[in-house]
Amino acid sequence: GGIITQTPKFLIGQEGQKLTLKCQQNFNHDTMYWYRQDSGKGLRLIYYSITENDLQKGDLSEGYDASREKKSSFSLTVTSAQKNEMAVFLCASSIGAETLYFGSGTRLTVL
Amino acid sequence: GDSVTQKQGQVTLSEDDFLFINCTYSTTTYPTLLWYVQYPGQGPQLLLKVTTANNKGISRGFEATYDKGTTSFHLQKASVQESDSAVYFCALVDRPGNYKYVFGAGTRLKVIA
Repeated sequence: GGIITQTPKFLIGQEGQKLTLKCQQNFNHDTMYWYRQDSGKGLRLIYYSITENDLQKGDLSEGYDASREKKSSFSLTVTSAQKNEMAVFLCASSIGAETLYFGSGTRLTVL
Repeated sequence: GDSVTQKQGQVTLSEDDFLFINCTYSTTTYPTLLWYVQYPGQGPQLLLKVTTANNKGISRGFEATYDKGTTSFHLQKASVQESDSAVYFCALVDRPGNYKYVFGAGTRLKVIA
């Protein structure tokens, strides 16, 4: 088995601030994802990376940057935090496009 | 584009009640359909997956049937327990190899002992 570790678990920022969320996986999966979870809206894809050095935009990429530093790690940056961005950000990984394995999330609050 | 609809935002049941969570989908393909479950404080985890090759998925007492006629993939369980309290997400992938899952809004299940 493996695990996905997201840091920090809770992130509090100021409006307009640049904030970075980190994700590590030890499944040795090629593909990694960032999803945003808002209450009542399900999970929406922000960025994904099929292999190391690859980066693909999801449906919600505006206002975010991502970086796949190595096979096991994938970071997400909120370029300018907005009050309406209070949400849970979920990292996931998979073998190819098969089953997604999720971390427990980073809860973002913008003051 | 593809979409998944879960109209029930919250369902409250007593232990041993029958569970039915509604999910309908819209796509131009014959997709793979999935149910994910998210327990409090955790990320979602796969509960069951059904492709066009196998119409029904069963896992941990839950079952869902792929109905192409009504484009539905409802989740059922005969007798729920308090430990089943969680958020349930229906999802689809429109074709093999597609990395973009489409998730429903989720249904929060609360089971009262």
